[in-house]
Amino acid sequence: AQSVTQPDIHITVSEGASLELRCNYSYGATPYLFWYVQSPGQGLQLLLKYFSGDTLVQGIKGFEAEFKRSQSSFNLRKPSVHWSDAAEYFCAVKGNQGAQKLVFGQGTRLTINP
Amino acid sequence: EPEVTQTPSHQVTQMGQEVILRCVPISNHLYFYWYRQILGQKVEFLVSFYNNEISEKSEIFDDQFSVERPDGSNFTLKIRSTKLEDSAMYFCASSEDMNTEAFFGQGTRLTVV
Repeated sequence: AQSVTQPDIHITVSEGASLELRCNYSYGATPYLFWYVQSPGQGLQLLLKYFSGDTLVQGIKGFEAEFKRSQSSFNLRKPSVHWSDAAEYFCAVKGNQGAQKLVFGQGTRLTINP
Repeated sequence: EPEVTQTPSHQVTQMGQEVILRCVPISNHLYFYWYRQILGQKVEFLVSFYNNEISEKSEIFDDQFSVERPDGSNFTLKIRSTKLEDSAMYFCASSEDMNTEAFFGQGTRLTVV
């Protein structure tokens, strides 16, 4: 069965510092991979996705993520965070053989110190 | 930019009552989904819907739940007899096809008292 692990429940970084949020997945083949962000009171917004090809993908708001097949990881990074990046971040996977459902990690809450 | 819209944003209902959560998916999308997030837990898949029928559902989606696309634009989730444990944020999502990303609505917070 597919599963997603986000090892860090809560991360605090200072504004302007770099950020890396970890995501590991368990799946029989290479799935489709996603990062979503949920700001307080908002829905889930897609940050970026990986389907195939270049393993470093760029997303919105200056985020990027790197797919590493050997580590079954899809970590999210940003070189310099802004106070507006404070939110909950969810990694998700979906099978690439016609499966329709997304399987989510438990989320990482990001707090930004001024 | 097209978006998925959900109504209401918050609904309070008494245990045992029926509730209907409403969603308007993005207009050219063909796949529709419901997910839920119980407070403090993961976002969980409930059901997917394509071509006017359920295409995949989870164990959570039992006989108390049903989905419908009553017209060309709305997609609804009905819970027939709500339980306290149905209290959660319910998200609707849609995608162009099964191999593209899903776009989510803002969610409906359901509180069962």
